Amino acid sequence: SQKIEQNSEALNIQEGKTATLTCNYTNYSPAYLQWYRQDPGRGPVFLLLIRENEKEKRKERLKVTFDTTLKQSLFHITASQPADSATYLCALLYSGAGSYQLTFGKGTKLSVIP
Amino acid sequence: DAGITQSPRHKVTETGTPVTLRCHQTENHRYMYWYRQDPGHGLRLIHYSYGVKDTDKGEVSDGYSVSRSKTEDFLLTLESATSSQTSVYFCAISESSGSHNEQFFGPGTRLTVL
Repeated sequence: SQKIEQNSEALNIQEGKTATLTCNYTNYSPAYLQWYRQDPGRGPVFLLLIRENEKEKRKERLKVTFDTTLKQSLFHITASQPADSATYLCALLYSGAGSYQLTFGKGTKLSVIP
Repeated sequence: DAGITQSPRHKVTETGTPVTLRCHQTENHRYMYWYRQDPGHGLRLIHYSYGVKDTDKGEVSDGYSVSRSKTEDFLLTLESATSSQTSVYFCAISESSGSHNEQFFGPGTRLTVL
């Protein structure tokens, strides 16, 4: 079965710095990789999707990279703000039983310190 | 939470009792999913539906059943609740299954089985 590891359970950074979160996976390469944000007591919210043939994707202060050789995705938040504090989940999209299913990592809790 | 509601939001029940959780969407999306989220495990797929009366098992389906008689409603039933089913349950929807499988999550149901 597919295994996903997010580098750390918690990450603390200073406001204004760039936060970098890591997602590693084993076994076969997914067709797509997604990143979600989850705030306490709420459901995850979709942020970005990157395809296996894309090296990099950007959205405002967010950047995602996808290295299928290393089996790794990096998620960057530039000029981080306290409002960016949340848990970030990576998810792999793979094909199963006639449809695509998402497998989620356990998440990294990011705290941006003012 | 993008047109997705879950009921109840909180429930406390006793071991051995049946429990039904409801997910309702107003987006007319074809795909619906039930996940559970536990500390140390992240989000895990229980069951999903790819249309009315069309459902399939996910990673952790034992002890759960689902039904979808209308596009907008997806029910999750615990036939005989056990303490190991204490968790936060999230419903999600998506418009498609493949490359645009951005999932929208509901607010969650916190279930405690005593």
